[in-house]
Amino acid sequence: AQSVTQPDIHITVSEGASLELRCNYSYGATPYLFWYVQSPGQGLQLLLKYFSGDTLVQGIKGFEAEFKRSQSSFNLRKPSVHWSDAAEYFCAVGISGTYKYIFGTGTRLKVLA
Amino acid sequence: GAGVSQSPSNKVTEKGKDVELRCDPISGHTALYWYRQSLGQGLEFLIYFQGNSAPDKSGLPSDRFSAERTGGSVSTLTIQRTQQEDSAVYLCASALTDTQYFGPGTRLTVL
Repeated sequence: AQSVTQPDIHITVSEGASLELRCNYSYGATPYLFWYVQSPGQGLQLLLKYFSGDTLVQGIKGFEAEFKRSQSSFNLRKPSVHWSDAAEYFCAVGISGTYKYIFGTGTRLKVLA
Repeated sequence: GAGVSQSPSNKVTEKGKDVELRCDPISGHTALYWYRQSLGQGLEFLIYFQGNSAPDKSGLPSDRFSAERTGGSVSTLTIQRTQQEDSAVYLCASALTDTQYFGPGTRLTVL
């Protein structure tokens, strides 16, 4: 069955430090992959997506993610975190040819000043 | 419109009452989704619309939950005889192709 795992429930980093949020998926074919961010009291905002092509994807707010087929991973990175990045981050897999997304349970990011 | 809108933003109700949650998708988006996000949980898929049809209602947790979409646009999620376990944030998303765009959600509190 398809699944998405975000192994880190909480991550704390200092402002200016680098960030990597992990996402692993289980899916038989090449999935559509997404990262969303949810600030407190807000809906989900799309950060970036991967459908095909270049495996390193650039998104908004200085985020990037790399699709690694061999590791079934789509980790989110940012070289220097800002205090405003504190939020919850969700990885999602879109099942190609269907309408369905499968979401991970999220990683809550805390940024220390 | 500029984005997906949902109303109300907050709803407090008493156990046993019915509630209606509204979603206005992005104009032209044919697909519409409802999700439930409970405290500390991920997103739970509830129902999907393509146009006015709902080919998959499998995520609705009980027969107290229903949804409709009219004119290929606005959707309403109705919860009858609300229970305390229905307290959650209800998120709506719309899509034209493979990318879903989310509304801000409705926070439902059942006392």
